Amino acid sequence: EAGVAQSPRYKIIEKRQSVAFWCNPISGHATLYWYQQILGQGPKLLIQFQNNGVVDDSQLPKDRFSAERLKGVDSTLKIQPAKLEDSAVYLCASSFEGRGTEAFFGQGTRLTVV
Amino acid sequence: GNSVTQMEGPVTLSEEAFLTINCTYTATGYPSLFWYVQYPGEGLQLLLKATKADDKGSNKGFEATYRKETTSFHLEKGSVQVSDSAVYFCALSRSSGANSKLTFGKGITLSVRP
Repeated sequence: EAGVAQSPRYKIIEKRQSVAFWCNPISGHATLYWYQQILGQGPKLLIQFQNNGVVDDSQLPKDRFSAERLKGVDSTLKIQPAKLEDSAVYLCASSFEGRGTEAFFGQGTRLTVV
Repeated sequence: GNSVTQMEGPVTLSEEAFLTINCTYTATGYPSLFWYVQYPGEGLQLLLKATKADDKGSNKGFEATYRKETTSFHLEKGSVQVSDSAVYFCALSRSSGANSKLTFGKGITLSVRP
């Protein structure tokens, strides 16, 4: 079974530039998550989709971050403009619906803002 | 709100030593509890989980018991190996749907010496 695919693996940009990350979840998984993992910390949820609808974006900095999930499958997370504090690993995960369901994670995109 | 507290790290052990990594949580109701592991250069993967009080999750020689009375989910292994060197994250999720997001602890780095 193919896992969660993310691209790119690494990205270096200058502050105030824009960047986009792509995620392809496991086939059949209705729920898709984007997490931000800053060095030395646990992942923090940015946004959760159920099919192509947003169910939680309470911690997404909406002045600079945006995300979409077209047709309830692939998703794109964008940052515009980037700040130095956005340097982190961006993780995409997906899961079936249901209590206690395991979330499967991609390898992440490591973003460095200089 | 929901939160997960892990013991401070890093932890360095000799091969075949006994391992305990403490994890306590704060949440209303009955969350599901998880341990995720991140091996060097790889993505987060589920190690074990428990979905109700007194459940014991186990995998690869690791165990953790859901203790509601102490709000804890400590990870244990009787004899660690060099290959267990990784970052370990304790996490909880409230339920399904909008509450299915994972809330993570800060993680702890385990290094096992030969």
